[in-house]
Amino acid sequence: GENVEQHPSTLSVQEGDSAVIKCTYSDSASNYFPWYKQELGKRPQLIIDIRSNVGEKKDQRIAVTLNKTAKHFSLHITETQPEDSAVYFCAAFFTGGGNKLTFGTGTQLKVEL
Amino acid sequence: GAGVSQSPSNKVTEKGKDVELRCDPISGHTALYWYRQSLGQGLEFLIYFQGNSAPDKSGLPSDRFSAERTGGSVSTLTIQRTQQEDSAVYLCASSFGQGSYGYTFGSGTRLTVV
Repeated sequence: GENVEQHPSTLSVQEGDSAVIKCTYSDSASNYFPWYKQELGKRPQLIIDIRSNVGEKKDQRIAVTLNKTAKHFSLHITETQPEDSAVYFCAAFFTGGGNKLTFGTGTQLKVEL
Repeated sequence: GAGVSQSPSNKVTEKGKDVELRCDPISGHTALYWYRQSLGQGLEFLIYFQGNSAPDKSGLPSDRFSAERTGGSVSTLTIQRTQQEDSAVYLCASSFGQGSYGYTFGSGTRLTVV
């Protein structure tokens, strides 16, 4: 069945450093990969997404890369700031899995001063 | 509305009681999803509605859980004979519909079964 693995489960970086979170997926037919940020006690919010017809997408300090051959995608945050501290979830849209997103298990990012 | 609205925001109930959680999706969004998030855990899929199609119930953990969506808009998730392990945040999300679109989540209902 559909499966999304996410690593690491926790990540601690110094302010100003970069953070990278990686996900792998199982269904080669997946075509849409969003990332969500969830601050403590709040709802998950979409921060960036990528479709299978592109390999990279950037939005200010955030970028996502996709390697379809290897079936993995990554979130890159540069110049991290304390407000980047949150749980980040990757997800993949499985067309053969009922047209819904399957989420990774989340990464707790802590940006230390 | 401007966003996905869920009510109540918090619910404390006694073990064995039934509860109903409500979700009002974004106007025009034909797809509606329910997920469950236990403390410090990921997002567990429960059920998915798309237009007038039969819902995908493959994530419901037991027959105590059910959901309906009336008129293609508002949805209610019902948990019968609640158990302590049902305690979690129940998140509703909506999207434009069949196809690969991002979800917009509601703020969730925090359910505590005592």
